[in-house]
Amino acid sequence: DIQMTQSPSSLSASLGDRVTITCQASQDIRNYLNWYQFKPGKAPKLLIYDASNLETGVPSRFSGSGSGTDYTLTISSLQPEDIATYYCQHYDIVPPYTFGQGTKLEIK
Amino acid sequence: QEQLVESGGGLVKPGGSLRLSCAASGFPFSNYYMNWIRLAPGKGLEWISYIGSGGSAIYYADSVKGRFTISRDNARKSLFLQMNSLRAEDTAVYYCARAIDYGGNSYLDSWGQGTLVAVSS
Repeated sequence: DIQMTQSPSSLSASLGDRVTITCQASQDIRNYLNWYQFKPGKAPKLLIYDASNLETGVPSRFSGSGSGTDYTLTISSLQPEDIATYYCQHYDIVPPYTFGQGTKLEIK
Repeated sequence: QEQLVESGGGLVKPGGSLRLSCAASGFPFSNYYMNWIRLAPGKGLEWISYIGSGGSAIYYADSVKGRFTISRDNARKSLFLQMNSLRAEDTAVYYCARAIDYGGNSYLDSWGQGTLVAVSS
């Protein structure tokens, strides 16, 4: 099975900061990498699919990049509503969906 | 508006059973394959089961194989998860999620808000 290593596990940043979260795969995953936002009590939200495609309705301050084994989620200017836990996810045959360990983002 | 709403969670003793439901609305449910994903306290997200659009293709994570059964009723736009022989380590928030295939990738583009299952004596 491919392992996904996400970092950092927690992150404290100021409003307006540029925030970067990384996800590293144990082997080349050919951009089959997606990002989600989790808030307590709310339905999780897809942000980025296929490494760099912004899901419809997601603010443009969110972006994804990367290739091969290394991928990044960037928030260009942190807003209060971005406080959440973020997960990367890789798709493969078995198991189909493998997630990173999550990054809890807080306001400094 | 597309929506998924889970129900059926609760407190159950080890060895007990629960049946989770996920009601879909606002989209052609029968066209999509569906999944159950869980988030255990202090742990990460875990995919636990998949069912194809027609209900014939079914897969499980090793951690629940033989204990959990996924099913769907396309006429009622509903997804189900029958959970038997529950263990403390099954304690988690359970989400239903719709899957989209994109080239060789697949992502989960619509989720419910989750239902909490707590297994404790």
